[in-house]
Amino acid sequence: NAGVTQTPKFQVLKTGQSMTLQCAQDMNHNSMYWYRQDPGMGLRLIYYSASEGTTDKGEVPNGYNVSRLNKREFSLRLESAAPSQTSVYFCASSERAEESSNSPLHFGNGTRLTVT
Amino acid sequence: AQSVTQLDSQVPVFEEAPVELRCNYSSSVSVYLFWYVQYPNQGLQLLLKYLSGSTLVKGINGFEAEFNKSQTSFHLRKPSVHISDTAEYFCAVIRRGGYQKVTFGTGTKLQVIP
Repeated sequence: NAGVTQTPKFQVLKTGQSMTLQCAQDMNHNSMYWYRQDPGMGLRLIYYSASEGTTDKGEVPNGYNVSRLNKREFSLRLESAAPSQTSVYFCASSERAEESSNSPLHFGNGTRLTVT
Repeated sequence: AQSVTQLDSQVPVFEEAPVELRCNYSSSVSVYLFWYVQYPNQGLQLLLKYLSGSTLVKGINGFEAEFNKSQTSFHLRKPSVHISDTAEYFCAVIRRGGYQKVTFGTGTKLQVIP
């Protein structure tokens, strides 16, 4: 079972470069999320997509854009990378996001991004 | 809005000793509570969750947690830890009803010493 797959696993960018982080899930989940993880700060939500065709900002959206390409795929784009975006990025999905909000999150293994 | 506080950033414990990882939350409404575990270089995995009913919740790998509404706590416990329990543990909360975003604590690194 693949679950949530993220690519690439590692990436090094120079300041000002752009890149897209890819995420796909095979669990037929409705909702997908992008988090960043920084030491001592836990996970912070960047963007989420409650269902196919919708996206919304999370806690720390500045400098990022997202696309919910279809039900399976949710990509995160850095248009002009900055050193402050050095982090570990996690994609997650959950079954549903509406009334019963108790669906647990399923995470990918992360993308480790360094911006120099 | 809700918040989650994990009081200890690191907890060292000897193998086969018991451990408790503390989590307190703040919310003006009822919540669902979760514990996730993150092994090195991996994503988070669900350890256990409290939705309703019995306040003592059992999860995978011998972990359990107790929901205490009066103290707004959801502490994670294991009676005897193993080397393989070395990981980072995250407490998370989400408000009941409607679409809500999960709020995570800052994590507690459990280091099991042989």
